[in-house]
Amino acid sequence: DTGVSQDPRHKITKRGQNVTFRCDPISEHNRLYWYRQTLGQGPEFLTYFQNEAQLEKSRLLSDRFSAERPKGSFSTLEIQRTEQGDSAMYLCASSFTGGSSYEQYFGPGTRLTVT
Amino acid sequence: AQSVTQLGSHVSVSEGALVLLRCNYSSSVPPYLFWYVQYPNQGLQLLLKYTSAATLVKGINGFEAEFKKSETSFHLTKPSAHMSDAAEYFCAVGGANSKLTFGKGITLSVRP
Repeated sequence: DTGVSQDPRHKITKRGQNVTFRCDPISEHNRLYWYRQTLGQGPEFLTYFQNEAQLEKSRLLSDRFSAERPKGSFSTLEIQRTEQGDSAMYLCASSFTGGSSYEQYFGPGTRLTVT
Repeated sequence: AQSVTQLGSHVSVSEGALVLLRCNYSSSVPPYLFWYVQYPNQGLQLLLKYTSAATLVKGINGFEAEFKKSETSFHLTKPSAHMSDAAEYFCAVGGANSKLTFGKGITLSVRP
């Protein structure tokens, strides 16, 4: 169990640029979640996948945001035409629905700064 | 709909003192409740969880929490604070295998 990993850990970009983040979940986990955390706030749900299917998207996820999990393993989150309001920590979590623990394991996050 | 209220943004205790971090929730379905801890520039680590079994839940690092349905509360306690407990603590509510709704978090400071 190597844990959830995210890449990059930090990203600085200029307003209007596109950025893409990657999340590698724990290998046997079938669910993958994306959350966003702004300074002084708790994480807010963005979207989640079960295997390769995207099952729910938050209203926070504007049209500029898109997420994929093409083979049911790693996932990418892309933000197009970034805005300063997109500056936040983007957290990925994974879980396994076959047991009874219901625990989500979080990665270290990608901190995005839009200048 | 689900929500979490964590009153106060900052709690300061002396080393060795009792830690009490409050969490109240609202949920239209039987809740699953979690406490996570976050150290600076890191992700979230699960401290403990309530998933409809025992109402008094013990977690890592000496923390425990009690689920009180009548009070819609899930307060986190630790009998004796340690300097290493200084961090941000988040309470979260969810259903079985569903998204989590987090509170705003409480920053715990521990004075020597």
